[in-house]
Amino acid sequence: DAKTTQPTSMDCAEGRAANLPCNHSTISGNEYVYWYRQIHSQGPQYIIHGLKNNETNEMASLIITEDRKSSTLILPHATLRDTAVYYCIVRVNYGGSQGNLIFGKGTKLSVKP
Amino acid sequence: DGGITQSPKYLFRKEGQNVTLSCEQNLNHDAMYWYRQDPGQGLRLIYYSQIVNDFQKGDIAEGYSVSREKKESFPLTVTSAQKNPTAFYLCASALGSYRSLDEKLFFGSGTQLSVL
Repeated sequence: DAKTTQPTSMDCAEGRAANLPCNHSTISGNEYVYWYRQIHSQGPQYIIHGLKNNETNEMASLIITEDRKSSTLILPHATLRDTAVYYCIVRVNYGGSQGNLIFGKGTKLSVKP
Repeated sequence: DGGITQSPKYLFRKEGQNVTLSCEQNLNHDAMYWYRQDPGQGLRLIYYSQIVNDFQKGDIAEGYSVSREKKESFPLTVTSAQKNPTAFYLCASALGSYRSLDEKLFFGSGTQLSVL
């Protein structure tokens, strides 16, 4: 199973870009990289996902390296409401049918005024 | 509004008691999941269901049971065999099992289960 490695915690100043790294060196060719975040005592919220190309949506940008062994989630203008635990996840396949997302401990991002 | 609803928000279990956590979705999703989260930890998969009347064990299924009689509903029972049930339980759903790898999970707001 492809695993991910993330820093335990990070700080970011309000209004600045938050760059959250993730290593997934054992990722397979058809596995997607997903990012979710979880605000305390709530369910995780989907942010973005990608396969090879960089992706952008209204919440964030996802930069995937050419060898796909690492990626970076970018929150362009962090606000206090972005304080949360961010999970980087690689999709795992079981027998070719739907894979299940394996959540590690994530990165606790603290946005400070 | 479409979404996934978990109830109750807080639940207390007495010693030797079975309790059932509710999860309902109106997103017309085929797949549903139950995760357990302990303080400061990530999510661990308990059970998942890819289609009605079928479900599979996840990584920590012992002491839990589920049913999937309706597409919209995936209740989780925490049995007396689960000796350490205190945790935050999250239900999730996804569009479908067999179409592609490109799917995202939608989560409920969770149930906090505590032992009296």
